[in-house]
Amino acid sequence: QKEVEQNSGPLSVPEGAIASLNCTYSDRGSQSFFWYRQYSGKSPELIMSIYSNGDKEDGRFTAQLNKASQYVSLLIRDSQPSDSATYLCAVVTGNQFYFGTGTSLTVIP
Amino acid sequence: KAGVTQTPRYLIKTRGQQVTLSCSPISGHRSVSWYQQTPGQGLQFLFEYFSETQRNKGNFPGRFSGRQFSNSRSEMNVSTLELGDSALYLCASSSMTAYEQYFGPGTRLTVT
Repeated sequence: QKEVEQNSGPLSVPEGAIASLNCTYSDRGSQSFFWYRQYSGKSPELIMSIYSNGDKEDGRFTAQLNKASQYVSLLIRDSQPSDSATYLCAVVTGNQFYFGTGTSLTVIP
Repeated sequence: KAGVTQTPRYLIKTRGQQVTLSCSPISGHRSVSWYQQTPGQGLQFLFEYFSETQRNKGNFPGRFSGRQFSNSRSEMNVSTLELGDSALYLCASSSMTAYEQYFGPGTRLTVT
């Protein structure tokens, strides 16, 4: 079983809609959670971090963490074509980062 | 602050050769982690260094090694290159272990 699972997509949403990206993890002891955005041919860019249960909002982005369900999600409101990228979920377990394989998001103008 | 820098950006090597990649972290960051990214496997953790000490190591063969210098700059070395080592090698710096990581632009290694 992989440490971090993401639906590879592709996920397509129309411009202005809400994009919902999901991630599950296997270790209940995981303590930190991150979302990275990776444009094609570029390196991952940190967009959100979340450490406790609940929601954390930053601009158009909201990260949601549910440790009981071992689930973390990223919502992107008012999606823009520039949001088209692969989104990587990262989980820290035992002081080590584990990355999911990413979800490809396409925002259609 | 300047971001994470990696050199070289692109590299072509032949099977059996060795290669050394370099990473300079964000000023003040003492943790440097290395990852291999391939289309099929995604981001795979190689190792992490903090204050010149290897803190964590991923599941890669001993051909992959690294080190960190007193100024936090890090190098990774791959010996006896194989075709399967072709990948994007990323380093990420962090102010401390298991905290937010910031990635460099990567080194694209092609082994022929």
